[in-house]
Amino acid sequence: KAGVTQTPRYLIKTRGQQVTLSCSPISGHRSVSWYQQTPGQGLQFLFEYFSETQRNKGNFPGRFSGRQFSNSRSEMNVSTLELGDSALYLCASSLSSAGLPVDTQYFGPGTRLTVL
Amino acid sequence: EDKVVQSPLSLVVHEGDTVTLNCSYEVTNFRSLLWYKQEKKAPTFLFMLTSSGIEKKSGRLSSILDKKELSSILNITATQTGDSAIYLCAVEAKRVLTFGGGTRLMVKP
Repeated sequence: KAGVTQTPRYLIKTRGQQVTLSCSPISGHRSVSWYQQTPGQGLQFLFEYFSETQRNKGNFPGRFSGRQFSNSRSEMNVSTLELGDSALYLCASSLSSAGLPVDTQYFGPGTRLTVL
Repeated sequence: EDKVVQSPLSLVVHEGDTVTLNCSYEVTNFRSLLWYKQEKKAPTFLFMLTSSGIEKKSGRLSSILDKKELSSILNITATQTGDSAIYLCAVEAKRVLTFGGGTRLMVKP
């Protein structure tokens, strides 16, 4: 089974621009979560999507948004980029089946975003 | 606010040594604790723990959860250079993972 895939793997943008990152979950997984990883703050939760709806949201400004499509693929958008947005953006997918009391999140390789 | 703390921050050992990594947490609505290994790319799943006192093992790695002490340990025996990585502990509550800062392990030949 193919793992979680993310595109692009690397991105360089300048301040003020916007960016869209893509994540394809493991086949059959319905939940996609996004995380930001920086040396200073570590891994922080951005948001989670399930059945095309945002189910959970972390403490990030409204410049960070996302969506999920009917095939469970997800995109994350960051508008008006700031230098501090430079980070590794990871997405993780999980089954999120109704019968599962707990679930494991599997991570993709990440998109490394550099803002100049 | 949910909090996960890992110790030590970093560790340097020699091949063949045994190491113990620690994770403590303060989380509301705890459901599970997960360990991941991160080398250069994505965190790779190691273990998920939900019940106290039940050890999970995979080769030279093992982990156990203590819900009374709100903590978990990850043991690696007979370490190899390929074990060099950052080990991340995360606690899951309401489908959100809160991560600790990680323990950076370096195994020298």
